[in-house]
Amino acid sequence: RKEVEQDPGPFNVPEGATVAFNCTYSNSASQSFFWYRQDCRKEPKLLMSVYSSGNEDGRFTAQLNRASQYISLLIRDSKLSDSATYLCVVAGTYKYIFGTGTRLKVLA
Amino acid sequence: DTGVSQNPRHKITKRGQNVTFRCDPISEHNRLYWYRQTLGQGPEFLTYFQNEAQLEKSRLLSDRFSAERPKGSFSTLEIQRTEQGDSAMYLCASSLSPIGGQETQYFGPGTRLLVL
Repeated sequence: RKEVEQDPGPFNVPEGATVAFNCTYSNSASQSFFWYRQDCRKEPKLLMSVYSSGNEDGRFTAQLNRASQYISLLIRDSKLSDSATYLCVVAGTYKYIFGTGTRLKVLA
Repeated sequence: DTGVSQNPRHKITKRGQNVTFRCDPISEHNRLYWYRQTLGQGPEFLTYFQNEAQLEKSRLLSDRFSAERPKGSFSTLEIQRTEQGDSAMYLCASSLSPIGGQETQYFGPGTRLLVL
């Protein structure tokens, strides 16, 4: 079993739609959680950290469920510019473990 | 630009040749990481430095790979006797040791290696 698992997609959604991605992790001792965004042939860029209480940044909402060992990302009112790969990251004291990424394509 | 920089951005080499990549982290960051990413996969951890000390190496890092960070600033990753399976994007990231709270890693643009 992979340490961090994501549905690779692709998720094809129309502009304005709401889309949600989930990610599960196997190490219950994991301490930090993130969502990174990666555009084609570019480096990963931090989208948001994920906190136990859940957190929101504009159209993006992240949730953490430690009991079930999953994190989620919700994107509301999708824009064409949201098209990218979304990488789930789980970390211990320093090392990042990435999921394979979920591809999102927002269609006009 | 005060972000993480990597050079070269692209490298094409023949099998059996040696290659060296450089990473310049964000200036005040004491931690530096190397990752490798292949198509359709997320980045995979290779190695980690805190200041000049290399504190962990992944089993993915075979004997042909070596990384250094001699003065605790920039780092180099060398691959000796390259193989076609080494073709990948090599990403460098840096961070500041957190004092409480989460540590956030910032990535460079990567070096794309193609071994023919």
